[in-house]
Amino acid sequence: KAGVTQTPRYLIKTRGQQVTLSCSPISGHRSVSWYQQTPGQGLQFLFEYFSETQRNKGNFPGRFSGRQFSNSRSEMNVSTLELGDSALYLCASSLGTSTGELFFGEGSRLTVL
Amino acid sequence: DQQVKQNSPSLSVQEGRISILNCDYTNSMFDYFLWYKKYPAEGPTFLISISSIKDKNEDGRFTVFLNKSAKHLSLHIVPSQPGDSAVYFCAASAGRQAGTALIFGKGTTLSVSS
Repeated sequence: KAGVTQTPRYLIKTRGQQVTLSCSPISGHRSVSWYQQTPGQGLQFLFEYFSETQRNKGNFPGRFSGRQFSNSRSEMNVSTLELGDSALYLCASSLGTSTGELFFGEGSRLTVL
Repeated sequence: DQQVKQNSPSLSVQEGRISILNCDYTNSMFDYFLWYKKYPAEGPTFLISISSIKDKNEDGRFTVFLNKSAKHLSLHIVPSQPGDSAVYFCAASAGRQAGTALIFGKGTTLSVSS
């Protein structure tokens, strides 16, 4: 079965711009979680969407937002980009249980100049 | 404040030997622990997990041990193979309320030489 698809894979933005990243989960998975990976902080949880509702949110500023569509596809948006937002953004799809395995996409590499 | 710590950034092991990757945690509310493996340019992939009610879980060459009193878990890989060379992340879940919000350690890079 098809895995988790993230687009775009790479992108370069400048400070102050905004960016939208997309994630298509595995068919049948209703939960999509987003994580930020940086060399200094490792993987950090951004938020989780389940059946179009944000179910959980990590400790990130309001510039980071997301949504989920009825087909479970999800987007995350970062507004007013800062240099520190440069990171690998990973999307994970799952059945949504706390003991369930997360299936990660390959990530979207964002560079902010 | 890091709730999940992997104190060894890297580990080098010879093929055929045992690899032991360690992880410490501080939050006693964590009730489920997972290990993920990540190759360059790929997303993390699930390896093995353990519930807090167990102290050992085994899957082929991979075994995870949990010591709740010490708030410590370890991943044993026996025998190690060159294909095991990757970054290994320890992760913890704080229960049903946390949903899929895992707390990850910063990872340990394992290098297995032939």
